[in-house]
Amino acid sequence: QKEVEQDPGPLSVPEGAIVSLNCTYSNSAFQYFMWYRQYSRKGPELLMYTYSSGNKEDGRFTAQVDKSSKYISLFIRDSQPSDSATYLCAPRSGSARQLTFGSGTQLTVLP
Amino acid sequence: NAGVTQTPKFQVLKTGQSMTLQCAQDMNHNSMYWYRQDPGMGLRLIYYSASEGTTDKGEVPNGYNVSRLNKREFSLRLESAAPSQTSVYFCASSSGGAYNEQFFGPGTRLTVL
Repeated sequence: QKEVEQDPGPLSVPEGAIVSLNCTYSNSAFQYFMWYRQYSRKGPELLMYTYSSGNKEDGRFTAQVDKSSKYISLFIRDSQPSDSATYLCAPRSGSARQLTFGSGTQLTVLP
Repeated sequence: NAGVTQTPKFQVLKTGQSMTLQCAQDMNHNSMYWYRQDPGMGLRLIYYSASEGTTDKGEVPNGYNVSRLNKREFSLRLESAAPSQTSVYFCASSSGGAYNEQFFGPGTRLTVL
């Protein structure tokens, strides 16, 4: 079993929809939770990060972590065609330097 | 400010050939990483270098070697390429910190025939 599981999609939604992207993980030592966004044929870039449980909001994006159920979510409000990309969750434990990436969810927002 | 650069962008090899993928960063980061990305597998860490002069194996190091040439440059070598090494390779760098934000290069698309 992988340490981080992520539904690969693909997920297609109409413009303006609320999008929910999710990951589950098995390592209870994970404390830092990141979401990376990867446009087609580009390298990933950091989108959001949060520490331990709780919510963090940044514009149209909200990152949510529930450590009790080992569940990570990214919500996108008022989705735009420019949000079309692959989203990768990437948790990290406090002691580790490296990240553990989920396999990514491919999102398409249709105009 | 170029960030992380990788060369080449594309490469086709025959089984058994060797090649070196080059990576350089201009952000004065201590840590550098090499990943491969395959469909459905996400990013898998091949090797990383926490600082100049050190390298460590990641999740999938077999068939690869690395060299941290200096603080800016981190190369990945395939000594005898195999079709299973067909993938997109990404180099990344980071300065550390709580979230250890990693900055990625544009990738190298490698096909081994």
